[in-house]
Amino acid sequence: KQEVTQIPAALSVPEGENLVLNCSFTDSAIYNLQWFRQDPGKGLTSLLLIQSSQREQTSGRLNASLDKSSGRSTLYIAASQPGDSATYLCAVNTNAGKSTFGDGTTLTVKP
Amino acid sequence: DGGITQSPKYLFRKEGQNVTLSCEQNLNHDAMYWYRQDPGQGLRLIYYSQIVNDFQKGDIAEGYSVSREKKESFPLTVTSAQKNPTAFYLCASSINSPYNEQFFGPGTRLTVL
Repeated sequence: KQEVTQIPAALSVPEGENLVLNCSFTDSAIYNLQWFRQDPGKGLTSLLLIQSSQREQTSGRLNASLDKSSGRSTLYIAASQPGDSATYLCAVNTNAGKSTFGDGTTLTVKP
Repeated sequence: DGGITQSPKYLFRKEGQNVTLSCEQNLNHDAMYWYRQDPGQGLRLIYYSQIVNDFQKGDIAEGYSVSREKKESFPLTVTSAQKNPTAFYLCASSINSPYNEQFFGPGTRLTVL
């Protein structure tokens, strides 16, 4: 059974700092991995989708990497801003057609 | 505007009642999903449908039911058999399966009184 872990559960950084969020998974037979942002009481906003054949994807200040063999993905946020404060979740999608979500990392960027 | 809508935003249920949560999408996506989120936790899959008139149980389907009579609509009924239904419910869709990017609605918060 696929298990997805996100560490740390919470992270607080000063504005302008570069940071890395981690996502690890136990079964490397994945189809793709998706990173989401969730603001309090809201739905999920898709940030990046990285296919199993890809090593990384970039969108603006965000860069997601994937290492299938080690079961890890990272989300790099450059020059963090207070508006980046949210919970970030990763979801691993398997060939069985199901998604397994991590519990998320809650990021606070202090002005 | 294309997107996914969920209604109502907040829902209160008395014990023993069935309630239905609405999910509609105009993205022309074949696949739709229902997830449950509890405080401080990730999402758990309740049901999913990859095509009209077909759906499969997810990891926590007990006490829930769905229908998929139209491509645009995937309502979720929380039955009285669900012993702990208080949670945040999220609907999502993708072009044809989780192989593709999933897009989410704004969610419905259900509280049992």
